[in-house]
Amino acid sequence: EAGVAQSPRYKIIEKRQSVAFWCNPISGHATLYWYQQILGQGPKLLIQFQNNGVVDDSQLPKDRFSAERLKGVDSTLKIQPAKLEDSAVYLCASSYGITSTDTQYFGPGTRLTVL
Amino acid sequence: AQTVTQSQPEMSVQEAETVTLSCTYDTSENNYYLFWYKQPPSRQMILVIRQEAYKQQNATENRFSVNFQKAAKSFSLKISDSQLGDTAMYFCAFTLNTGNQFYFGTGTSLTVIP
Repeated sequence: EAGVAQSPRYKIIEKRQSVAFWCNPISGHATLYWYQQILGQGPKLLIQFQNNGVVDDSQLPKDRFSAERLKGVDSTLKIQPAKLEDSAVYLCASSYGITSTDTQYFGPGTRLTVL
Repeated sequence: AQTVTQSQPEMSVQEAETVTLSCTYDTSENNYYLFWYKQPPSRQMILVIRQEAYKQQNATENRFSVNFQKAAKSFSLKISDSQLGDTAMYFCAFTLNTGNQFYFGTGTSLTVIP
């Protein structure tokens, strides 16, 4: 079974530029998560999708971050414009069930550096 | 709001020995789940063990077990017979039974010494 795929693996941009990350969850997984993991901290949930609907986006900085999950499968996370404090690893995870009580399977992450 | 606290930023253990990682959490809810996730160096995060709050019996997965103290809001992870492959960041995590709002602690970096 293929795991959660993310691209790109690394990205370096200047502040105020835009960036997009892509995630392909495990086939058949209903729930998809995006996390931000700043160096030395635990992952922080940005947004949780159930199929193609948003379950929780309470910690997503909506003035600059946006996310969508097309047809309940792949997802993209966008930052526009980026700030220095957005430097982090962005993790995507998916789970089979429709709630966050199920086991989450994580991708390798995208490491973003904002200069 | 829910919080998860891991007070041990770094720990080390000799190979084959036992180590316990601490985690405390704060919630006013009664129904929730707790997890320990492992993030090896340059590898993907994986689930180690999970505990449903309504279950009194502590969860066990091979060499990994938890000590769940609901009244004290404590959820520690015990690793027995430590192996070199156990070297990783360990994150304690919490979610409500409603199935949203997932919270991670700050992590404990565990090093197994040969």
